[in-house]
Amino acid sequence: AQRVTQPEKLLSVFKGAPVELKCNYSYSGSPELFWYVQYSRQRLQLLLRHISRESIKGFTADLNKGETSFHLKKPFAQEEDSAMYYCAPSTLFWGGSEKLVFGKGTKLTVNP
Amino acid sequence: NAGVTQTPKFQVLKTGQSMTLQCAQDMNHEYMSWYRQDPGMGLRLIHYSVGAGITDQGEVPNGYNVSRSTTEDFPLRLLSAAPSQTSVYFCASGGLAITATQYFGPGTRLLVL
Repeated sequence: AQRVTQPEKLLSVFKGAPVELKCNYSYSGSPELFWYVQYSRQRLQLLLRHISRESIKGFTADLNKGETSFHLKKPFAQEEDSAMYYCAPSTLFWGGSEKLVFGKGTKLTVNP
Repeated sequence: NAGVTQTPKFQVLKTGQSMTLQCAQDMNHEYMSWYRQDPGMGLRLIHYSVGAGITDQGEVPNGYNVSRSTTEDFPLRLLSAAPSQTSVYFCASGGLAITATQYFGPGTRLLVL
């Protein structure tokens, strides 16, 4: 069965500290990997996706196919990074799958 | 280009009442979906649609109905509201591809008393 795990419900760091939000997945085949972010009282929005190989707001994510992980990292956290982060492996329309399932999310708090 | 819109923003219902949450998108996306967001449970897929006239169940479909008569609209109906349906509901739309980004609406907060 497809499964995505974000082991930390809550993560608290101080401003300027490195931050890593973990995401592990168990999927058949090779899903595309996404991170979505929800700032306070805002709608969810795409943060980054693996296929683009980009850094957004200082965040990067490394896909480790051996460990089936897609951890989100930022070397120096800022207070404005405080938000809810969701990992979403997608196999949409690959192998007949039409469901997009999200992880349970990690709430990141960056303290001053 | 309004993106994904949802109405109402907030609703209070009594147990047993019915209502429809509206969702519309103007990006000509074929794929639309409904999620509910609960503390500690993350986002859970309720129903989804891959095009007009085609809908299917997600992870938690019980108590909800959907229809997709047009590409733009994807309403979610609560047939007989229960307190367990108190949640924040998000509608999303995207293209038909594994690499497609999902675009979310602002959400509807529903309180069932």
